[in-house]
Amino acid sequence: QSVLTQPPSASGTPGQRVTISCSGSSSNIGSNTVNWYQQLPGTAPKLLIYRNNQRPSGVPDRFSGSKSGTSASLAISGLQSEDEADYYCAAWDDSLNGPVFGGGTKLTVL
Amino acid sequence: EVQLVQSGAEVKKPGATVKISCKVSGYTFTDYYMHWVQQAPGKGLEWMGLVDPEDGETIYAEKFQGRVTITADTSTDTAYMELSSLRSEDTAVYYCATGEMATIGGYWGQGTLVTVSS
Repeated sequence: QSVLTQPPSASGTPGQRVTISCSGSSSNIGSNTVNWYQQLPGTAPKLLIYRNNQRPSGVPDRFSGSKSGTSASLAISGLQSEDEADYYCAAWDDSLNGPVFGGGTKLTVL
Repeated sequence: EVQLVQSGAEVKKPGATVKISCKVSGYTFTDYYMHWVQQAPGKGLEWMGLVDPEDGETIYAEKFQGRVTITADTSTDTAYMELSSLRSEDTAVYYCATGEMATIGGYWGQGTLVTVSS
């Protein structure tokens, strides 16, 4: 059971916009920033969004993040086949004194 | 170019200890924390702990407390993760990753598969 809650799956067609939610509590998302990771099959995770809505260099602006209260969202616009991957949210948890992850969302591009 | 290169796959018997290395290049080792993350087959990511290479300070996840030791050798720019009393549930890929304390980061190792089997 993950501390942060994500839907196990999401899907969309090429060109569509999809969002993935991440729900937490006051000790994690409610008081700290949220990061998002993309994990393509068979590879290491990659930082996609940090500090709620910042993109590292090289990440397309099709990816965006937002946070409100104890929830966060990752939006992917102009969906492409290469976006098919697992997506994880994470945030520092003040009670656990460490980062916690969501269970991951498997995105399928139909 | 920043690189984190981890040691190779390991097969261990239950009760044994495994030690994985993560050698970094392309940045100043002491500028960032080093995190370790576990991923069991077909499962999600789980944070294990971190080390501050500058002073060796560590924080461990409660789940692994008492079984995990994370260290950093600034003479070789290498971080290590040692996990003891291995059990079958520890079969997983283990990743090292740089970052700030609250943000696991920008750069990840390629992962090391540890298989625990009798």
